[in-house]
Amino acid sequence: EIVLTQSPGTLSLSPGERATLSCRASQSVSSSYLAWYLQKPGQAPRLLMYGASSRATGIPDRFSGSGSGTDFTLTISRLEPEDFAVYYCQQYVNSPYTFGQGTKLEIK
Amino acid sequence: EVQLVESGGGLVQPGGSLRLSCTASGFTFSDYAMSWVRQAPGKGLEWVSGIRGSGAGTYYADSVKGRFTISRGNSKNTLFLQMNSLRAEDTAVYYCAKAGSGWYQWYVDLWGRGTLVTVSS
Repeated sequence: EIVLTQSPGTLSLSPGERATLSCRASQSVSSSYLAWYLQKPGQAPRLLMYGASSRATGIPDRFSGSGSGTDFTLTISRLEPEDFAVYYCQQYVNSPYTFGQGTKLEIK
Repeated sequence: EVQLVESGGGLVQPGGSLRLSCTASGFTFSDYAMSWVRQAPGKGLEWVSGIRGSGAGTYYADSVKGRFTISRGNSKNTLFLQMNSLRAEDTAVYYCAKAGSGWYQWYVDLWGRGTLVTVSS
């Protein structure tokens, strides 16, 4: 089983700032089969990125993803109020298709 | 409208069984793999099980292997999760999840609202 470790656990930033979230895998995630999701309280998660760097439909271009192998990054260039939520990464190269434990992005 | 609607959650005693259903609409159901993902109260996401569009391939997390069975009825656009030998640690919101396009694309591009399963005496 591939274990995904997200850091930091909590990130405190202000609107307009840049956010950088990390996801590290216990073994290589080949073909960059890594996705990112956002979840707000009381809601289902929503897909942000897949294939490590492809934005899902309707996701604004302030969100970008990068990385390969075992190290992946989600960057939000300029935080908007609606971006404050919990973010999860998921690998889908090998079953079980595990999630990271999440990074909470909170308003400073 | 493209959507997934779960049903079947509720309160069950430890050792009991429950069957979750998910009805899909707005897309060609049989063309896509489907998964169940759960979230315990206040915790993160846990992928539980997945099934190929044809139903031929099924996959499980170690935590539920041998106790849960995923299946689908493509003629009725429905996904199921049969849960047996339930434990307190199975308490969670269970989300029905549609996979992306392509054989290897097990990321989730459509989520249901979830159904709560509570295992308690």
